[in-house]
Amino acid sequence: EAGVTQFPSHSVIEKGQTVTLRCDPISGHDNLYWYRRVMGKEIKFLLHFVKESKQDESGMPNNRFLAERTGGTYSTLKVQPAELEDSGVYFCASSPKGIEQFFGPGTRLTVL
Amino acid sequence: GQNIDQPTEMTATEGAIVQINCTYQTSGFNGLFWYQQHAGEAPTFLSYNVLDGLEEKGRFSSFLSRSKGYSYLLLKELQMKDSASYLCAALNTGGFKTIFGAGTRLFVKA
Repeated sequence: EAGVTQFPSHSVIEKGQTVTLRCDPISGHDNLYWYRRVMGKEIKFLLHFVKESKQDESGMPNNRFLAERTGGTYSTLKVQPAELEDSGVYFCASSPKGIEQFFGPGTRLTVL
Repeated sequence: GQNIDQPTEMTATEGAIVQINCTYQTSGFNGLFWYQQHAGEAPTFLSYNVLDGLEEKGRFSSFLSRSKGYSYLLLKELQMKDSASYLCAALNTGGFKTIFGAGTRLFVKA
């Protein structure tokens, strides 16, 4: 069974540019989560989807971040415009029942 | 507020037992996760405790005391491959949001 996949694995962009991260959850997992880890800090929750609906987006830093999960399958996280403090590793995780979460390998975003 | 505390680093010897403690304060609490994360890799699920007490799973056991806001992860018969970060995380009421601690880096030496 394929695990959670994320694309790209690395992204280097300049301040002010736009970046879109993609997450493909494990097939059949209704729950999908986005997290971010800034260097030296803990993993921070961004938001949680159940199918295509946002259940909790209280962790989204500001309106420069937009997450979508059209059709309830893969999800995208767009940062527009990117700022220096957005640099970090963005993890996606999926879960069948909302307890055990399976994490993807992460996307390392560097904003210069 | 919401806060999870765990030691930053621990060192233990191959074959020994180590206990990693975690205390938490959350506005609503459902259960407590432990994840293992090797450097440069994704976190992998180890355990989830909802009820008080000890749950054993092979060499790894996890304990929870809801009244004390306290958990620990116990690793027995340590192996070199157990060198990793161990993340304590609380699932809030409603089951939507997971709050992570900063992680404990465990070094296993020969």
